[in-house]
Amino acid sequence: GAVVSQHPSWVICKSGTSVKIECRSLDFQATTMFWYRQFPKQSLMLMATSNEGSKATYEQGVEKDKFLINHASLTLSTLTVTSAHPEDSSFYICSASFGPYEQYFGPGTRLTVT
Amino acid sequence: GEDVEQSLFLSVREGDSSVINCTYTDSSSTYLYWYKQEPGAGLQLLTYIFSNMDMKQDQRLTVLLNKKDKHLSLRIADTQTGDSAIYFCAETRYTDKLIFGTGTRLQVFP
Repeated sequence: GAVVSQHPSWVICKSGTSVKIECRSLDFQATTMFWYRQFPKQSLMLMATSNEGSKATYEQGVEKDKFLINHASLTLSTLTVTSAHPEDSSFYICSASFGPYEQYFGPGTRLTVT
Repeated sequence: GEDVEQSLFLSVREGDSSVINCTYTDSSSTYLYWYKQEPGAGLQLLTYIFSNMDMKQDQRLTVLLNKKDKHLSLRIADTQTGDSAIYFCAETRYTDKLIFGTGTRLQVFP
């Protein structure tokens, strides 16, 4: 149980375009979903926390207009990277939680912006 | 501060025990976690411990918590090549927000 999927697993896009990444909890309803960013050989950096039906809470330094998060249902959250640039290239990982203190992670999405 | 520190690299021989260490700075941590990340993949929760516990054992994994020194360790008994990965410790402080350590790359050689 507690499986989280992400789609796509990798994506290449041109600079200036937008990319949407989906995060789904497959066998549970997630009250909270989290989006992380990971650079090569580095730790995970929390970007934002989203609760179903409400606006996401962004961490300091994360541009909310650039990284749009929508948490439309208890099983789906999306992250849209708008007007992507090469510096946005990274590994994006989501996680989902249905109770306090437990998060289950998706397999990640590798974004490359050319 | 929010720093959670780990040593960067650990190399062990197959069959030996591995001990991965983690230090944190905030005494209000509630839960402490160990996650495993294989190349190009997400994070797999290995185990977690509540802050009022000293030790937790789960098959080959043993977690030790020294709250006084703010030190957490993960011992992997009979380490196998499949254990090669990056291991992250993480903590929460009365919220769902995870604060991750810097990660330790474990390499197991035959």
